[in-house]
Amino acid sequence: KQEVTQIPAALSVPEGENLVLNCSFTDSAIYNLQWFRQDPGKGLTSLLLIQSSQREQTSGRLNASLDKSSGRSTLYIAASQPGDSATYLCAVTNSGYALNFGKGTSLLVTP
Amino acid sequence: GAVVSQHPSWVICKSGTSVKIECRSLDFQATTMFWYRQFPKQSLMLMATSNEGSKATYEQGVEKDKFLINHASLTLSTLTVTSAHPEDSSFYICSARGRAADEQYFGPGTRLTVT
Repeated sequence: KQEVTQIPAALSVPEGENLVLNCSFTDSAIYNLQWFRQDPGKGLTSLLLIQSSQREQTSGRLNASLDKSSGRSTLYIAASQPGDSATYLCAVTNSGYALNFGKGTSLLVTP
Repeated sequence: GAVVSQHPSWVICKSGTSVKIECRSLDFQATTMFWYRQFPKQSLMLMATSNEGSKATYEQGVEKDKFLINHASLTLSTLTVTSAHPEDSSFYICSARGRAADEQYFGPGTRLTVT
């Protein structure tokens, strides 16, 4: 059974810092990996989708990498802003296309 | 981009009653829809997978007679929580997958509170 782990569980940084969120998964036979953002009490916003054949994806200040063989992904956020404060979820897709989610990293960016 | 809606966005009901939650794909046809549940401070857990025109596949530990799922059309799936209890209070989120896309599109979620 696929297990997805995210480290750290919570992170607080001052505005402007670059930061890295980590995700690991136990079964490397994935179709893709996604990073989501979730604001309190809200649904999910998809940030980046990395196919299993890809190594990284970039969108604005966000960069996600994937090392499928080692079962790891990182989400890099450059020049963090208070508006980046949210919970970031990593999810992988195996057969059947359902997503297996980690518990998330709760990020707080202070002004 | 593809849009998925959920209705209602929140609902409060009394213990023992049933609640229906709708999930609609607004601008694409969803061959498969997924229902997830999220308890406070926890991650999303898959409850069931529903394919249009066939019975839903439930994850281990999810009671199919309690959580009724109907995927009657390519744009609508419903989740009915029957005889709701306070422990069913949770955030329910659906997602929809189209025929061609690898990506899933998530609804905004439904907050269920059972008193």
